[in-house]
Amino acid sequence: DTAVSQTPKYLVTQMGNDKSIKCEQNLGHDTMYWYKQDSKKFLKIMFSYNNKELIINETVPNRFSPKSPDKAHLNLHINSLELGDSAVYFCASSLTNGRGGDTQYFGPGTRLTVL
Amino acid sequence: GQNIDQPTEMTATEGAIVQINCTYQTSGFNGLFWYQQHAGEAPTFLSYNVLDGLEEKGRFSSFLRRSKGYSYLLLKELQMKDSASYLCAVIGYSTLTFGKGTMLLVSP
Repeated sequence: DTAVSQTPKYLVTQMGNDKSIKCEQNLGHDTMYWYKQDSKKFLKIMFSYNNKELIINETVPNRFSPKSPDKAHLNLHINSLELGDSAVYFCASSLTNGRGGDTQYFGPGTRLTVL
Repeated sequence: GQNIDQPTEMTATEGAIVQINCTYQTSGFNGLFWYQQHAGEAPTFLSYNVLDGLEEKGRFSSFLRRSKGYSYLLLKELQMKDSASYLCAVIGYSTLTFGKGTMLLVSP
């Protein structure tokens, strides 16, 4: 019944490693997003995909690469993890591209800790 | 660029009314959201405004005045469970930008 799910919920890893976070939505939405929330609770959009196509790509290091195998999935792969990547990463989805005021539904978040 | 300002913290007592303000300067405007986020949880949708005026939904109301770049969220009959962070977010031409959130603490 979970609308937007993310795995894993917690991820602890060493600097320099490569890791992936998976996101799936079963709402039939066309658009999915990745957000980063830092220790100061500032929520910032990273990427947005509409029907598997990238529509928003904010200033994010190219170590972060989103992959959308189909419109129900948007995974986030991070290469060469750095200490500053420690944050909570939220996946979200909306019916269309959000500009019409579509509600964004958020996943539970993945807390990434880089040691 | 996008700039969204909200107070960092507010306190109020149970049963009271509180107004959380949000001012914004953005490239384009296609609407404004309010989200609630409890500690350790994901944001949840509260309201959406695209036209000027007041939108009421139960104990929560949201107001927008586009010419002033201004919105507020009004919470009535405060309950302890309303203690949370309240995020203002604006849809510009191509993106959704969140403010840093207002941490509301409701005391007995």
